[in-house]
Amino acid sequence: DVKVTQSSRYLVKRTGEKVFLECVQDMDHENMFWYRQDPGLGLRLIYFSYDVKMKEKGDIPEGYSVSREKKERFSLILESASTNQTSMYLCASSLQGGSNEKLFFGSGTQLSVL
Amino acid sequence: KQEVTQIPAALSVPEGENLVLNCSFTDSAIYNLQWFRQDPGKGLTSLLLIQSSQREQTSGRLNASLDKSSGRSTLYIAASQPGDSATYLCAVSGGYQKVTFGTGTKLQVIP
Repeated sequence: DVKVTQSSRYLVKRTGEKVFLECVQDMDHENMFWYRQDPGLGLRLIYFSYDVKMKEKGDIPEGYSVSREKKERFSLILESASTNQTSMYLCASSLQGGSNEKLFFGSGTQLSVL
Repeated sequence: KQEVTQIPAALSVPEGENLVLNCSFTDSAIYNLQWFRQDPGKGLTSLLLIQSSQREQTSGRLNASLDKSSGRSTLYIAASQPGDSATYLCAVSGGYQKVTFGTGTKLQVIP
């Protein structure tokens, strides 16, 4: 089975800090995604990457950046954390985006910005 | 813009009951539809994926159907168990990375 690993389950940061969320997948997937999940709003796409060093903005990229230096690793960066970035962050991957390919998710990082 | 709706937002049933969860979407030009399960504070686990050319998929006690023309999908859970208690989300793919999620139905199965 595909394993998508997020480095932290819980994080507490201060306003203004630079925050790194790491995600690693072990199945040579081309596509990787970062979502945030908020009550009543569902999952919203922040950024995605379809290849090493390639990235595309999702629906809510403001305040975030990403890095994909290696195929298996996709990092989400909060340049200057703010309280409205308190959320559950979910990383996902898929093989190539074919119609029969599932999305696989990590277990999530609950980030609190104080 | 694709919109995905799941009604009801919460559902409580006695153990052993068969149940149906609903998902509706506004744009029928979809690539596939996935049903996920999410336990509290955890990530999403893929349950079933239905390609746009398919009508249904089955896995154990779960059966998912897709009617593109009406913009609807259902997830049928047979003989529900307390371990089925979770939030169930549907996600519609418009191709490649364009996946839109519903906000989920929170299911509680009472022993």
